[in-house]
Amino acid sequence: EVQLVESGGGLVKPGGSLRLSCAASGFTFSSHTINWVRHAPGKGLEWVSSINSDGGYIYYRESVGGRFTISRDNAKNSLYLEMNSLRAEDTAVYYCVRDTTNVARRSGMDVWGPGTTVIVSS
Amino acid sequence: QSVLTQPPSASGTPGQRVAISCSGGSSNIGSNIVSWYQHIPGTAPKLLVYGENQRPSGVPDRFSGSKSGTSASLGISGLQSEDEADYYCAAWDDSLYSRVFGGGTKLAVL
Repeated sequence: EVQLVESGGGLVKPGGSLRLSCAASGFTFSSHTINWVRHAPGKGLEWVSSINSDGGYIYYRESVGGRFTISRDNAKNSLYLEMNSLRAEDTAVYYCVRDTTNVARRSGMDVWGPGTTVIVSS
Repeated sequence: QSVLTQPPSASGTPGQRVAISCSGGSSNIGSNIVSWYQHIPGTAPKLLVYGENQRPSGVPDRFSGSKSGTSASLGISGLQSEDEADYYCAAWDDSLYSRVFGGGTKLAVL
């Protein structure tokens, strides 16, 4: 079964750090661009970051650039998101999401994990 | 304020056809494929349609997508009560080097 499963969410104080992980199974992980997408309470879906198949192309939304770092380990079929200097507005469910191809501009996002919740609050 | 513009709400009765619009620009919809997602809060979003009206396996052909210039549309025919959800369009933006979403459209089946 094709699957993505996130972990690492939790409650953290403003300014704190958190590392999210995503475990992939059932498909050739190293052939796909993978994304982090978040959904904050009462708001719409928001793309956070993406990394292409070999990690050579990495992109972030402007509001997290310099604070978040995406990485992947193809040998472990795993994706990561290191989040630093967290703010209240980063509170959301974070989803690990697979692109249909390795070219984001020609892809939909077809496999979504169940999500992990990040709450930034004092 | 989202880069892609969707109406905040839409509605229809069972069996009816509804269309949800998504307006963008030359750097996103005008240059790249559009994808559409169904999101029932509390669950993971689901890809419905992408590219030239491609649907993942398991998505019924009641859902269809179209694009013209810098605008796109999701059509849902034979509306069912279980179609009540939030719907989002998305595309890559060549100027922002980001994937952008529309603000979402809440669909009510009356």
